[in-house]
Amino acid sequence: EAGVAQSPRYKIIEKRQSVAFWCNPISGHATLYWYQQILGQGPKLLIQFQNNGVVDDSQLPKDRFSAERLKGVDSTLKIQPAKLEDSAVYLCASSLNTRSYEQYFGPGTRLTVT
Amino acid sequence: DAKTTQPTSMDCAEGRAANLPCNHSTISGNEYVYWYRQIHSQGPQYIIHGLKNNETNEMASLIITEDRKSSTLILPHATLRDTAVYYCIATGNQFYFGTGTSLTVIP
Repeated sequence: EAGVAQSPRYKIIEKRQSVAFWCNPISGHATLYWYQQILGQGPKLLIQFQNNGVVDDSQLPKDRFSAERLKGVDSTLKIQPAKLEDSAVYLCASSLNTRSYEQYFGPGTRLTVT
Repeated sequence: DAKTTQPTSMDCAEGRAANLPCNHSTISGNEYVYWYRQIHSQGPQYIIHGLKNNETNEMASLIITEDRKSSTLILPHATLRDTAVYYCIATGNQFYFGTGTSLTVIP
């Protein structure tokens, strides 16, 4: 069974630039999550999708972050414009449905904003 | 939503049992306890979860106290590859990882 795929693995941008991350969840998983993990901290949930609908985006900084999952499979997370404090690892995870917290994580994208 | 409290770090000798405690004194009756671990530079990995009863799988055992205010994750025979940050999470409206326990298995 293929795991959660993410790309790119690493990205370096300057502040005020934009960046996008891509995630392909495990086949058949209806629920998709995006997390932000700052160095030394645990992952923080940014947004949760059930199929192509948003379940929870309460911690997503909506003035600069956006995410979509148009066809209920792949998802993209965008930051525009980036700030220095956005430097972090962005993790994508998927689970069968919203009733299961057994999440499978991708390897993450390490973003450095200079 | 119940928050959890874990020690910042622990050491364990290789081959011995690693017992990782977690306090979740405000957990409500329908909230599960989940454990994940994160090996350096990797995404978190699901380990085990439980509600009231003790649970065991091929990776670990989970012991939940009768009042459900705390739990212990047990790695029966720790290996060097078990060195990781272990997160105890009480489910609720949000899945909150916290900062976890950094477990170091010593040769």
